[in-house]
Amino acid sequence: EAEVAQSPRYKITEKSQAVAFWCDPISGHATLYWYRQILGQGPELLVQFQDESVVDDSQLPKDRFSAERLKGVDSTLKIQPAELGDSAMYLCASSSTGWGANVLTFGAGSRLTVL
Amino acid sequence: GNSVTQMEGPVTLSEEAFLTINCTYTATGYPSLFWYVQYPGEGLQLLLKATKADDKGSNKGFEATYRKETTSFHLEKGSVQVSDSAVYFCALLGNSGNTPLVFGKGTRLSVIA
Repeated sequence: EAEVAQSPRYKITEKSQAVAFWCDPISGHATLYWYRQILGQGPELLVQFQDESVVDDSQLPKDRFSAERLKGVDSTLKIQPAELGDSAMYLCASSSTGWGANVLTFGAGSRLTVL
Repeated sequence: GNSVTQMEGPVTLSEEAFLTINCTYTATGYPSLFWYVQYPGEGLQLLLKATKADDKGSNKGFEATYRKETTSFHLEKGSVQVSDSAVYFCALLGNSGNTPLVFGKGTRLSVIA
């Protein structure tokens, strides 16, 4: 069964350091999402890509967060500098266009702890 | 904007008990509704969905009916198992443009033998 791959699964860093997360969506899925899930909360969208273009980054803290999907396939989410409040699970998801576009498939997530 | 409200947990049940997790939503138009499940240490998995009023989604013994008149999508299961222990998220997808999938805060279910 096709999966969304994410790495690393766990990351511990000190505040003010830079961190990066990688996501490889299901092959052929044009839409890619990055969500942040704070402990005890539901996931919240950070950024949505359609192919290589950003569709929605209204909730992305652009002073420290950046995301790219240069070739419209895999994606990287970067935080620089990391702050204590960034400790969370970062979830990547993908979906197809057309039929099935409303079903997101999630990766296992990358858990970030900022000390 | 679109939003989802689900009952707060944690919910603790004995095996074979009946489960209900309430979910209500606020949205314009006719959104699609979903239940996702997150098992310990794993990502979210789609459990079931409904895309129009009066649709019933079902999977693994879980059911939820899209009730437009009460703006609800309550999750039910007649007899829970220990393996159902997880966090359950109700979610909504608007039907206008590129609106994102919006989640509730999640309800943690613990089933004890």
